[in-house]
Amino acid sequence: EILLTQFPDTLSLSPGERATLSCRASQSVSSSYLAWYQQKPGQAPRLLIYAASSRATGIPDRFSGSGSGTDFTLTINRLQPEDFVMYYCQQYGSSPHRFGQGTKLEI
Amino acid sequence: EVQLVESGGGLVKPGGSLRLSCVVSGFNFNNAWMSWVRQAPGRGLEWVGRIKNKINGETTDYAEPVKGRFTISRDDSKNTLYLQMKTLKTEDTAAYYCATGGPLGIDSALQLWGHGTTVTV
Repeated sequence: EILLTQFPDTLSLSPGERATLSCRASQSVSSSYLAWYQQKPGQAPRLLIYAASSRATGIPDRFSGSGSGTDFTLTINRLQPEDFVMYYCQQYGSSPHRFGQGTKLEI
Repeated sequence: EVQLVESGGGLVKPGGSLRLSCVVSGFNFNNAWMSWVRQAPGRGLEWVGRIKNKINGETTDYAEPVKGRFTISRDDSKNTLYLQMKTLKTEDTAAYYCATGGPLGIDSALQLWGHGTTVTV
């Protein structure tokens, strides 16, 4: 079973800055089956990145993903006010498809 | 328009049972692998389980906390996904979402999500 640890738990930045969120897996994630989701309060999660680095439909190019094996990164350039919410990584290469505990991006 | 609409949530006593439904429209449900994800109040996302499509044997996988108590099934004739929950515990209290890869195909990240239904134990 692959466990995911996200860090930091909370990231404090200002609009216009760049955010770097990390996700570390306890074992190598097969085929880079690693996704990133954004969740706003009271809403369902929204897929941002799949296969570690592919942007989902309609996601601005300010959002990018990178990494392989056990270390993955979500980068958000030119932070907008609406970006200050929760972010989760998930591996879907082997069951169970666990999520990380989340990173809160705050102003 | 693609829609995933969950229903069946509510208040149930510990030890009780509940069945959630997720009706899908706007894409080919028959080919989709479908998942359930839950979120306890104020907590993070927790993957509950998944069911593959008929071609792949409708195989199911579950998270450890729900194994033996929850069952995922599907009725392709009704474009509906189910989550049968038994022997419910207080820690099962959560919003339950159905989700799928949709246009990303099978065995993919979860691009399409419902709005969730709330279960309180």
